[in-house]
Order: sequence, then structure tokens, then C-alpha cells
Amino acid sequence: DTGVSQDPRHKITKRGQNVTFRCDPISEHNRLYWYRQTLGQGPEFLTYFQNEAQLEKSRLLSDRFSAERPKGSFSTLEIQRTEQGDSAMYLCASSLARAGGGEQFFGPGTRLTVL
Amino acid sequence: SQKIEQNSEALNIQEGKTATLTCNYTNYSPAYLQWYRQDPGRGPVFLLLIRENEKEKRKERLKVTFDTTLKQSLFHITASQPADSATYLCALDGEGTYKYIFGTGTRLKVLA
Repeated sequence: DTGVSQDPRHKITKRGQNVTFRCDPISEHNRLYWYRQTLGQGPEFLTYFQNEAQLEKSRLLSDRFSAERPKGSFSTLEIQRTEQGDSAMYLCASSLARAGGGEQFFGPGTRLTVL
Repeated sequence: SQKIEQNSEALNIQEGKTATLTCNYTNYSPAYLQWYRQDPGRGPVFLLLIRENEKEKRKERLKVTFDTTLKQSLFHITASQPADSATYLCALDGEGTYKYIFGTGTRLKVLA
């Protein structure tokens, strides 16, 4: 257990529905990342926050995806009008912002299946 | 285009041998490169970070090298054990933005 939790662990939904995932990072970590991972691939960067500010968002991310981190603590990732291509593992990671890079602590992921 | 390549084929080695995994990249100038381990159905776990001005980093049975001229990192596990069987991912910062780009990973299987 890395200290990063995600909820739910699994989500099955029908195409066109909206889904929301939650991530609780390690409490003192000010950076929070969202990634998407499909089978046989590495995690694909979606977005990241420093405290409550969303500093970068992948150009690959459609406007159906939105993420928030109110008060710089937990974060939510919402996918609107889900498509079958959204089926993947959604991973959250947190780290401390510091010079010299920082190791990322990943949560267990939320596996999304869109029928 | 920017790319990170890891051995796409699974690597099978005998217990006790040294496993060497490769991470090659093009069109990046990373300040940091990280290695992670991932077990099936779980999130990646951080192993080692190496900076652009470091040639080598060690941690117990693990060793990472970083050659910015060749644009390559090598990851070694010495005295490998069946418990080392997992997928190993390399990741580098996208031009120092703290946006980490991951490779596809190499699946390692250590045979008893």
C-alpha cells in the first residue's frame, strides 16, 4: 500500500454515461497526476496538479475529460458521454514537488469498462 | 516524433543471472529518468531515479545507467529471483515539465 487510494476500484458503465473517479493522495504531497493505461502499454499522461492548480493537460485529452483538485487535497476525474475507447485503467499518482525530480506514488487504479 | 522504446518482447532469464533491460528515447532531453516496477492489476512502484548528470545509480541488487549521448538507460537486476518477475517501466520528464512520459514496459520472467 503506497498511501494513495482510488475509488472505485472497478467501474462498469454503458456507453454515453458519465463516470467520476476519486483519488486521495498522500496528504503532504502537493503534486497529483492522472494517467490512463491500456493492456500492454505504459501509463499515458492525462493531467497534473500542483496544489489546486491544474498545470498541464495532455493534448490527447478530449473535452469530455475534466479533472479537479479542490483545496489541493483529493482529486476527481470525470469522463462525460463515455465511449468504448475509454475502457482502460485510470491511475492516480502523487509526489512532492522538489528540485531533482520526485518519485511518484501510484494508487491501485480504477478499471473502467464501457459496454 | 518523440518516442520511448523498451524491449517489447518478454525477457526470460534463469534465477541467479543478471537481467538487463533497455530504455531508448528519441527527441527528448530529459533531466531525470525513473524506473518503476508493475505487477499485474496494480499501480507502478518507484524503484530508482537517475539525473542527467549521473552516469550510474545503485540500490541493493538494482543498478541503473544513463547515457545522454546514446539516449539510453540500462536497468540491471543482479542475482535475479523469481520474485523479480514483473513488468519494468522507464519514465522520463518531458523537457523538465514534470510531465512524465512512460515507455511501454518490458515483462521480465525469472525462471527457478
